[in-house]
Amino acid sequence: DAGITQSPRHKVTETGTPVTLRCHQTENHRYMYWYRQDPGHGLRLIHYSYGVKDTDKGEVSDGYSVSRSKTEDFLLTLESATSSQTSVYFCAISEDSYEQYFGPGTRLTVT
Amino acid sequence: DQQVKQNSPSLSVQEGRISILNCDYTNSMFDYFLWYKKYPAEGPTFLISISSIKDKNEDGRFTVFLNKSAKHLSLHIVPSQPGDSAVYFCAASYGAQKLVFGQGTRLTINP
Repeated sequence: DAGITQSPRHKVTETGTPVTLRCHQTENHRYMYWYRQDPGHGLRLIHYSYGVKDTDKGEVSDGYSVSRSKTEDFLLTLESATSSQTSVYFCAISEDSYEQYFGPGTRLTVT
Repeated sequence: DQQVKQNSPSLSVQEGRISILNCDYTNSMFDYFLWYKKYPAEGPTFLISISSIKDKNEDGRFTVFLNKSAKHLSLHIVPSQPGDSAVYFCAASYGAQKLVFGQGTRLTINP
């Protein structure tokens, strides 16, 4: 398995609070991604990174920001959490291929 | 605008028989297709892929078929085993290392 960890694995937070999720890889892969998984929608891309400090928006980026200051870490921040951001969040990595390898996920509940 | 669609939310198959999971896409620019398998509380894992220049790719019990004229992709699992019970996502890519996922199909293998 690719060395990808996500923290925290579970989080409950209140509406309006900021939340940061962390993805850490030990594979030295260039590309990193954040997805959310919701029933009926599959996996939808939030943001991705193609190198340190190089990031771009995905399909559902509103309300989210990302940062990548080191190759191994990719942070996802919900600036002011809303109930619609209750979801399971997955990080993924890839090198110069189409296959992406996923982390174990973070279950976020916004009350 | 769902570019990749899995129209069957669930599928039930008897152990030992063939499982066929289907996926349709709308964007003719997609050049690579993948299938992922997901168990509960885990991240998706890569299963098998196919380039748009091919119409079939086989790996053990798993075969992916691509019909470009119909914009249709299918995954065949023969013979089906209890451990195949999972949610299956198809995904498509067109450069830029980004994937677009379908909604997923829950496969249940019955003894």
